[in-house]
Amino acid sequence: AQSVAQPEDQVNVAEGNPLTVKCTYSVSGNPYLFWYVQYPNRGLQFLLKYITGDNLVKGSYGFEAEFNKSQTSFHLKKPSALVSDSALYFCAVRDVGNQFYFGTGTSLTVIP
Amino acid sequence: GAVVSQHPSWVICKSGTSVKIECRSLDFQATTMFWYRQFPKQSLMLMATSNEGSKATYEQGVEKDKFLINHASLTLSTLTVTSAHPEDSSFYICSAHGGRAAPINEQFFGPGTRLTVL
Repeated sequence: AQSVAQPEDQVNVAEGNPLTVKCTYSVSGNPYLFWYVQYPNRGLQFLLKYITGDNLVKGSYGFEAEFNKSQTSFHLKKPSALVSDSALYFCAVRDVGNQFYFGTGTSLTVIP
Repeated sequence: GAVVSQHPSWVICKSGTSVKIECRSLDFQATTMFWYRQFPKQSLMLMATSNEGSKATYEQGVEKDKFLINHASLTLSTLTVTSAHPEDSSFYICSAHGGRAAPINEQFFGPGTRLTVL
């Protein structure tokens, strides 16, 4: 069965500092991994995905994620956080049937 | 890029009434659409998967007679919450997938619909 885990419910970081939002996965076969961001009362916005190729994936709004097969991780990162990055972040894995399995979400707060 | 819309974006209704939520793929044909439910500060829970022209596949624990899903065309799926009750209040999100034939083999999410049942 496919699953992802986001071990942190809440991440706080000061504006301008680097941020990391953690995600680990468990999949059978090759992982298709995604990160989405959700602002209050809004749907999900796609940030980035890993399907194959380079382990470092660059996405929208300056975010990037590193696929680490040995650690089964796909942590989301940004070198310098903005207050506007404050939102709910979801890691997800997609199976061969195109069904998504979401993590429980991590609430990111960037402190001015 | 591919766009998925939902209508309405929010709805308030009385207990016992039925509410229909539409999900449309605006610039691609969606062979498969998914309906999710999200409670405050929680993750998305898949409710059902619908393929155009066939019956929806419901996840365990989801009442198919209460949450009616129709995927009548390649650009429209509807979710009808029948005889809604306050515990049905939630944020409902749809997503659409174009399939391998689409130029974009991806799944795109709608903006969500906030349902409040009084």
